[in-house]
Amino acid sequence: GIQVEQSPPDLILQEGANSTLRCNFSDSVNNLQWFHQNPWGQLINLFYIPSGTKQNGRLSATTVATERYSLLYISSSQTTDSGVYFCAVEWGGATNKLIFGTGTLLAVQP
Amino acid sequence: DSGVTQTPKHLITATGQRVTLRCSPRSGDLSVYWYQQSLDQGLQFLIQYYNGEERAKGNILERFSAQQFPDLHSELNLSSLELGDSALYFCASSVGTSGRTGELFFGEGSRLTVL
Repeated sequence: GIQVEQSPPDLILQEGANSTLRCNFSDSVNNLQWFHQNPWGQLINLFYIPSGTKQNGRLSATTVATERYSLLYISSSQTTDSGVYFCAVEWGGATNKLIFGTGTLLAVQP
Repeated sequence: DSGVTQTPKHLITATGQRVTLRCSPRSGDLSVYWYQQSLDQGLQFLIQYYNGEERAKGNILERFSAQQFPDLHSELNLSSLELGDSALYFCASSVGTSGRTGELFFGEGSRLTVL
């Protein structure tokens, strides 16, 4: 099956800092999404981005499908950005489901 | 608010018991997905329904079953519960076609504790 690897596994930032989270996948994908799981456990959609670049406020994402990776950029981080960031892919070999990476645990300190 | 509604939010029960988790998808979404999140296994796909039909199955135990009703809400039934079934169970929905997921939106989850 497909492997979805995220890096770094853990990240500690001071408020106001910028960061880049990476998602590598081992095969071609039909779909890629980024989610934020907040400290209360809620999974919040950030981006639906099978290819290209999107921006939403302080967050942006880029997926280079041909090179099998996606990046999530967080600028001017805030304490509310803390939580776990997941990328999830729909693999062409097993459609109708998203396969999640192991996540990046982000802690933003004031 | 994602528009996906899950009940109950919290559930505490004993080993050997049976519980039912309920999910109402976003208006217009035909696909429903169930995921299990435990500390040691991460987010694991269980099962997917599209317009009432099962379309994809993951590592769902035989003690677990699900269905999607004509009004598109879905239920996940967990029986003969074991301590290891304690987890956060998520439902998600999408407008995806029968062959693709589309963009998934998750409910707030049902936290199951088995004592």
